[in-house]
Amino acid sequence: RKEVEQDPGPFNVPEGATVAFNCTYSNSASQSFFWYRQDCRKEPKLLMSVYSSGNEDGRFTAQLNRASQYISLLIRDSKLSDSATYLCVVNPSSGNTPLVFGKGTRLSVIA
Amino acid sequence: GAGVSQSPSNKVTEKGKDVELRCDPISGHTALYWYRQSLGQGLEFLIYFQGNSAPDKSGLPSDRFSAERTGGSVSTLTIQRTQQEDSAVYLCASSPLAGAETQYFGPGTRLLVL
Repeated sequence: RKEVEQDPGPFNVPEGATVAFNCTYSNSASQSFFWYRQDCRKEPKLLMSVYSSGNEDGRFTAQLNRASQYISLLIRDSKLSDSATYLCVVNPSSGNTPLVFGKGTRLSVIA
Repeated sequence: GAGVSQSPSNKVTEKGKDVELRCDPISGHTALYWYRQSLGQGLEFLIYFQGNSAPDKSGLPSDRFSAERTGGSVSTLTIQRTQQEDSAVYLCASSPLAGAETQYFGPGTRLLVL
């Protein structure tokens, strides 16, 4: 089983739609979780961290379910500019180890 | 301050040649990472440095790949006897410590092996 698994998509949604991405991770000892965003032919950038209680940043909501080892990202009122690949990222331990990146879910928001 | 920089931004080489890719991390960042991303694919972890040492080299695809970091700053990734399957974008990232919440990525080096 891969450490971090995501549906690759693509998700093609109209402007204004709500879209949700899911991610599962295999290491139950994983400590922290993030969503990164990667635009076409650009480098990945941190979108938001994912906290146990769930957290929201504007139109973006991240949720964590430790029991199911499952992370989600919800985007409300999609904009054309949200079109990108969304990477689920996990820190597998509390020590100094690299982050583990999922392969990403591609989103296209269509006018 | 300045972000992570990489050079060259693009590199075209012939099969069998050696190439050297450079990464300048953010000043003061002790952790540095190399990834490879083939067209339409996810990030493939290659190697990371904590200071000048590389605790994890498990991602290097073959013994043609090597990396070093000197002075806790600049890193070079060397690919010897390049093959066509080495064609990809090579991304470097840095963070204050390994496992830190945010990795800051450079713009990448696009390598094409003919």
